Amino acid sequence: KAGVTQTPRYLIKTRGQQVTLSCSPISGHRSVSWYQQTPGQGLQFLFEYFSETQRNKGNFPGRFSGRQFSNSRSEMNVSTLELGDSALYLCASSLWAPGDEQYFGPGTRLTVT
Amino acid sequence: AQSVTQPDIHITVSEGASLELRCNYSYGATPYLFWYVQSPGQGLQLLLKYFSGDTLVQGIKGFEAEFKRSQSSFNLRKPSVHWSDAAEYFCAVGAVGGSYIPTFGRGTSLIVHP
Repeated sequence: KAGVTQTPRYLIKTRGQQVTLSCSPISGHRSVSWYQQTPGQGLQFLFEYFSETQRNKGNFPGRFSGRQFSNSRSEMNVSTLELGDSALYLCASSLWAPGDEQYFGPGTRLTVT
Repeated sequence: AQSVTQPDIHITVSEGASLELRCNYSYGATPYLFWYVQSPGQGLQLLLKYFSGDTLVQGIKGFEAEFKRSQSSFNLRKPSVHWSDAAEYFCAVGAVGGSYIPTFGRGTSLIVHP
């Protein structure tokens, strides 16, 4: 069974731009979560989607948004990029819920200059 | 609120030595417990999980962990460390239910000396 895939793997953007990251979960998994990982803050939960609906949300500003499609694939978007948004963005999928065992993608490394 | 503490930021061991990474959690009921490993620049890989039943769980790559309810701990162990085990290790607490957001520890960086 194919694992979680994320595209692109690396991105360099300029402050003020916007970016869209993509995640394809494991086949059959309906819950997709997004995390931001930085050396200073560790792994922080952004949001989770289930059946095309945002079911859970972390403490991030509205510049961070996402969506999920009918095939469970998910995208996250960050608008008006700030230097502090530089991070590894990880997508994780699970069968039903984020509190269950999660399978992570390799991440997208975003650098904002 | 739930929390996960990994008291050791870095641990250094010699190849072939035994390993124990500590994890303490705070949660009102019996949680789901996980250990993940992350190699540099990669995502997290699930090593093992505890949901219920036998408190000693076996995982991949020769790792095991023991759930101790009385100590609120879920320590990860390996009898003989290999150089390829050098990585970041994360303990996490989860639970059943769609509204539960898992909590991750800050991670322990394992350094393996030859």
